[in-house]
Amino acid sequence: DTGVSQNPRHKITKRGQNVTFRCDPISEHNRLYWYRQTLGQGPEFLTYFQNEAQLEKSRLLSDRFSAERPKGSFSTLEIQRTEQGDSAMYLCASSLRGRMNEKLFFGSGTQLSVL
Amino acid sequence: ELKVEQNPLFLSMQEGKNYTIYCNYSTTSDRLYWYRQDPGKSLESLFVLLSNGAVKQEGRLMASLDTKARLSTLHITAAVHDLSATYFCAVDPPYNQGGKLIFGQGTELSVKP
Repeated sequence: DTGVSQNPRHKITKRGQNVTFRCDPISEHNRLYWYRQTLGQGPEFLTYFQNEAQLEKSRLLSDRFSAERPKGSFSTLEIQRTEQGDSAMYLCASSLRGRMNEKLFFGSGTQLSVL
Repeated sequence: ELKVEQNPLFLSMQEGKNYTIYCNYSTTSDRLYWYRQDPGKSLESLFVLLSNGAVKQEGRLMASLDTKARLSTLHITAAVHDLSATYFCAVDPPYNQGGKLIFGQGTELSVKP
């Protein structure tokens, strides 16, 4: 395992449909994050987990969004009743808590297009 | 609320020239990151700056941090085409319990022959 893996790479869906993305972090990393990036902008924090516990959620994360990390390994991000405004790149990152120079390693992202 | 601003947002430069990208942030922070993103790709970590006066260099890129001025710079020396990408700075908010980084808007760098 050489990095953070995300699936699918691309997802096209119709408005109102539900979608689910998966993220597999670097195996020894105990923290996992979800960010969203729209064209021409920097990533925006959505939520993060330490092991299986979801410790913080952004106000950007509406009730239609839910994230899980069962058993503290991979994570899923589900968007229900998608809207066109949900179209974005969804990035997953992981890190190892406790290191002084803790840094986030990002996956390649899932590009969501809502038609 | 912590805000992070980069300038310039777009930078077109010739190969061989030097330039600096600036990153200002609005509240105290102990940690600042620089990332690179190629089109359609994810973010690659370049530098982590942990203290006032920190300076890190790799190849043609050098990053520095002035926590009193709330300013970080990314200096490019003798630019080459391979450095064309978008560069983001990101700041770790005070009392942050997790990786809730606040990113700047990014600086899109284009290096032309």
